[in-house]
Amino acid sequence: DSGVTQTPKHLITATGQRVTLRCSPRSGDLSVYWYQQSLDQGLQFLIQYYNGEERAKGNILERFSAQQFPDLHSELNLSSLELGDSALYFCASSVAGIGTDTQYFGPGTRLTVL
Amino acid sequence: AQSVTQLGSHVSVSEGALVLLRCNYSSSVPPYLFWYVQYPNQGLQLLLKYTSAATLVKGINGFEAEFKKSETSFHLTKPSAHMSDAAEYFCAVSSNAGGTSYGKLTFGQGTILTVHP
Repeated sequence: DSGVTQTPKHLITATGQRVTLRCSPRSGDLSVYWYQQSLDQGLQFLIQYYNGEERAKGNILERFSAQQFPDLHSELNLSSLELGDSALYFCASSVAGIGTDTQYFGPGTRLTVL
Repeated sequence: AQSVTQLGSHVSVSEGALVLLRCNYSSSVPPYLFWYVQYPNQGLQLLLKYTSAATLVKGINGFEAEFKKSETSFHLTKPSAHMSDAAEYFCAVSSNAGGTSYGKLTFGQGTILTVHP
């Protein structure tokens, strides 16, 4: 158990819909990262937050947005969903949000768009 | 920009045999390198990491990796494979360069390790 929790575990929805994925970081970690894992793209970095502020952005679509709240949990919002958005979405957390940190991964949310 | 190439999407070994999973990286700044393991339907777990201290890094479950700057490699090894090592392994790179790359992990495509009895 990494100490990072993600809800829900599975999500099945239809094209055009909007969903919210939730992540609670390990106790004491200030930085949260979101990654997408799919068969064709592999593991891709989406976005990073540190203590409530956006720190780095990767290949995140404009239809996707995220935020980190004062209690440090984070939410990833996916809207106007397309079939290609079906993937496993991981949240990770680390202490300081720097390159030497160990990132601890949650169990993931499996999103299926029908 | 940083990138990682894992040579071999599938590696198969016999129980008790040497495990060698290959990883080469590209980075214009000093890299930090990681190996993660993913068991089916689970998240990623850190095996070991290199952060510019010793070049030979020992990790959990008997795994180790050696950072070779001249070869831009960070291959993962284990002297004797166990059935429980069957999983997917990911090599990743990060750096402390600022801007858009701060702290993010760039992953290779992964290598599925199969262990035969």
